[in-house]
Amino acid sequence: SAVISQKPSRDICQRGTSLTIQCQVDSQVTMMFWYRQQPGQSLTLIATANQGSEATYESGFVIDKFPISRPNLTFSTLTVSNMSPEDSSIYLCSVGYETEAFFGQGTRLTVV
Amino acid sequence: LAKTTQPISMDSYEGQEVNITCSHNNIATNDYITWYQQFPSQGPRFIIQGYKTKVTNEVASLFIPADRKSSTLSLPRVSLSDTAVYYCLVVLNTGGFKTIFGAGTRLFVKA
Repeated sequence: SAVISQKPSRDICQRGTSLTIQCQVDSQVTMMFWYRQQPGQSLTLIATANQGSEATYESGFVIDKFPISRPNLTFSTLTVSNMSPEDSSIYLCSVGYETEAFFGQGTRLTVV
Repeated sequence: LAKTTQPISMDSYEGQEVNITCSHNNIATNDYITWYQQFPSQGPRFIIQGYKTKVTNEVASLFIPADRKSSTLSLPRVSLSDTAVYYCLVVLNTGGFKTIFGAGTRLFVKA
């Protein structure tokens, strides 16, 4: 199993600014995943973060808007850049072991 | 990755058994069927997983027919605290996999 800690748990940000979300895992993992969950919606995968290489982004998500760092096997950050109200969502990080995925509690972002 | 289809919402009463069916017609040979539960303001949580026939744990049962094109999550004697969104997924047993979520089923348990 895995325990995932995300920081911050929530934030209210001004449009045009950026927020960096941290994700810490209690064990080493090869891949970490970042998701977005808009209000009342399901989870949408943003990108896969591999240690030592650039993140792989899903369709509709770009590195300039959502830069990701993966400095080691237990930590990753997601930055939401140049925010607009449409970026108001919950952002979650996840890791997978065999066929089970573990999720952080999420970061609730409100852009005003 | 196989697409899944499940009801958008379901209502139930406390003490009833709830069955949520999911279709996954394009499931591949190496895919596993996995269900997650999500409460408001929390990340999804693993409930149960199976490959074929029936799997039971302390929380739920999962029924999978021989053709594996559908599955049914069974929650015995639900309580108010079972009100949540339930996601059916098919995942490849490769380790470190990425999980693609469908729309989920919003279960509302009434008193």
